[in-house]
Amino acid sequence: GQNIDQPTEMTATEGAIVQINCTYQTSGFNGLFWYQQHAGEAPTFLSYNVLDGLEEKGRFSSFLSRSKGYSYLLLKELQMKDSASYLCAVVDSNYQLIWGAGTKLIIKP
Amino acid sequence: DAMVIQNPRYQVTQFGKPVTLSCSQTLNHNVMYWYQQKSSQAPKLLFHYYDKDFNNEADTPDNFQSRRPNTSFCFLDIRSPGLGDAAMYLCATSRDRMGVETQYFGPGTRLLVL
Repeated sequence: GQNIDQPTEMTATEGAIVQINCTYQTSGFNGLFWYQQHAGEAPTFLSYNVLDGLEEKGRFSSFLSRSKGYSYLLLKELQMKDSASYLCAVVDSNYQLIWGAGTKLIIKP
Repeated sequence: DAMVIQNPRYQVTQFGKPVTLSCSQTLNHNVMYWYQQKSSQAPKLLFHYYDKDFNNEADTPDNFQSRRPNTSFCFLDIRSPGLGDAAMYLCATSRDRMGVETQYFGPGTRLLVL
């Protein structure tokens, strides 16, 4: 079967750095997305990785290791507005998008 | 601004009473998707349209139907809502078939079944 694993919940402090991990077992791989979803709202696109390595976009960076079936989302200089769920989603060999259940990130002052 | 719009944002219906949720887009994207998302769970794809080509997921109940009368609009019909159908329903679009194309989501419709 196809599986995406993310921690259910994480807590971090305003101004700090947090890393949210995602591991996947899918039939093939054609890229990995990270989406942010605030409570009661729709997911919004953060990043897409298809090659190994780190992609930086402002305070957010996303890393991929295809050989390890692993990605992480790194959030720096955390702000209260970063409190949200972060969803990892993998594109499999059939170009289907497989979603993780998301990691709820709680930011404390 | 180009966007994905869903109406209504909140919908209350009675057990067994048909309900229709609507979605429109100004992005001129070929693909439109309907997802069901329950609290703290991954979005579950119900079906998608590639232009007028309808694609139903194997495990989508027959209770759920969809219509796409034109490029801009897509509807989700729930013929006989049950208590288990209470969820957030998300409409999304992408320029081309699902997969490597980024999906753009509407704000969602939260459905409550009494």
